[in-house]
Amino acid sequence: DAGVIQSPRHEVTEMGQEVTLRCKPISGHDYLFWYRQTMMRGLELLIYFNNNVPIDDSGMPEDRFSAKMPNASFSTLKIQPSEPRDSAVYFCASSSTDSWNYGYTFGSGTRLTVV
Amino acid sequence: ELKVEQNPLFLSMQEGKNYTIYCNYSTTSDRLYWYRQDPGKSLESLFVLLSNGAVKQEGRLMASLDTKARLSTLHITAAVHDLSATYFCAVDSFDGQNFVFGPGTRLSVLP
Repeated sequence: DAGVIQSPRHEVTEMGQEVTLRCKPISGHDYLFWYRQTMMRGLELLIYFNNNVPIDDSGMPEDRFSAKMPNASFSTLKIQPSEPRDSAVYFCASSSTDSWNYGYTFGSGTRLTVV
Repeated sequence: ELKVEQNPLFLSMQEGKNYTIYCNYSTTSDRLYWYRQDPGKSLESLFVLLSNGAVKQEGRLMASLDTKARLSTLHITAAVHDLSATYFCAVDSFDGQNFVFGPGTRLSVLP
């Protein structure tokens, strides 16, 4: 398996623009997580899905953020409109109910810069 | 609410020395995970500890879990420069199947 795949790796955008981050989880994993990492706040869980259904979105900072998982192999995190304070590294991770012995597998992350 | 603390947050040590990183958490959990992150990279799973008294070792790193004390340790033996990274512990919240991560310990091993 190629692991958790995120795209793009880097994104630079202007304030006010819409940004879409993409994630393909490991095949067979039924949990998908979106994290944001900054120096100031560390790793923050934004939202997670189980079997494509959002379970907990309490970490989504505000209405400008939205996430979808239309099928088991694809998820998006959208920011509209983007602001400079959204600049961070966004990680997607996946896991399986049957493999808690292994924890999460993280993607390579998307480094977002909003100017 | 589950809280996870690590100390120290920053650690600078010389090659060849031993040191321990501590991870404390606030509520009962039997599952604890250690991850490593190199600068600009993703998180890589190091150890999975699934029961009280669990001990795992890989090379110069050894992790242990004491669920009664709500404490895990990551012990570094005879540190080498390649171990320089940020180390995170994460605890299974048992409340929705998500992990809570500690703030990380940034380790620098100096020659």
